[in-house]
Amino acid sequence: QKEVEQNSGPLSVPEGAIASLNCTYSDRGSQSFFWYRQYSGKSPELIMSIYSNGDKEDGRFTAQLNKASQYVSLLIRDSQPSDSATYLCAVNLRNQGGKLIFGQGTELSVKP
Amino acid sequence: EAGVAQSPRYKIIEKRQSVAFWCNPISGHATLYWYQQILGQGPKLLIQFQNNGVVDDSQLPKDRFSAERLKGVDSTLKIQPAKLEDSAVYLCASSLVASGATSYNEQFFGPGTRLTVL
Repeated sequence: QKEVEQNSGPLSVPEGAIASLNCTYSDRGSQSFFWYRQYSGKSPELIMSIYSNGDKEDGRFTAQLNKASQYVSLLIRDSQPSDSATYLCAVNLRNQGGKLIFGQGTELSVKP
Repeated sequence: EAGVAQSPRYKIIEKRQSVAFWCNPISGHATLYWYQQILGQGPKLLIQFQNNGVVDDSQLPKDRFSAERLKGVDSTLKIQPAKLEDSAVYLCASSLVASGATSYNEQFFGPGTRLTVL
């Protein structure tokens, strides 16, 4: 089992719809969870961080964390073509210092 | 606030040659990371520094890769000799602290160096 798993996609949604990106992780003691957006040919850009169970909202983005199910998700409301990118889930595992374990990323395509 | 700086942005070398990458973290960030990202994969940590000390280099191929962070600010990553499989993007990131359930451990990435080994 991979430490952090994401569906590779591509996930295609129409403009204005809600995009839902999912991530599961293997270490129950993980304490920090991050979503990065990566445009083609660019470096990862931090868009959300979440540390406790529940929802965290920032503009059109909502991160959801369920530690019991070892599941973290990212919802993008009112999706725009400019949201088309690869979304990387990253987890800071227990006793790993600052090391982030990344999933392989989910490619999102928002169609006008 | 200036972000993480890296150079060069692109490098093409032949196998068995050597190459070096440079990183300057966000001012005040004590922790610096080097990641390798192969096309189609998520970044993989190569080495983590806390100030000028190594915290984690468990996935650094030490027979060919080396890194240093003198004076606890700038860092260089070197590959000698390079192999074809080293073709990747090398990303530098920095954070205020190393870990914990706090925003201070958020990692910010530089633009990366795209290495092609022929």
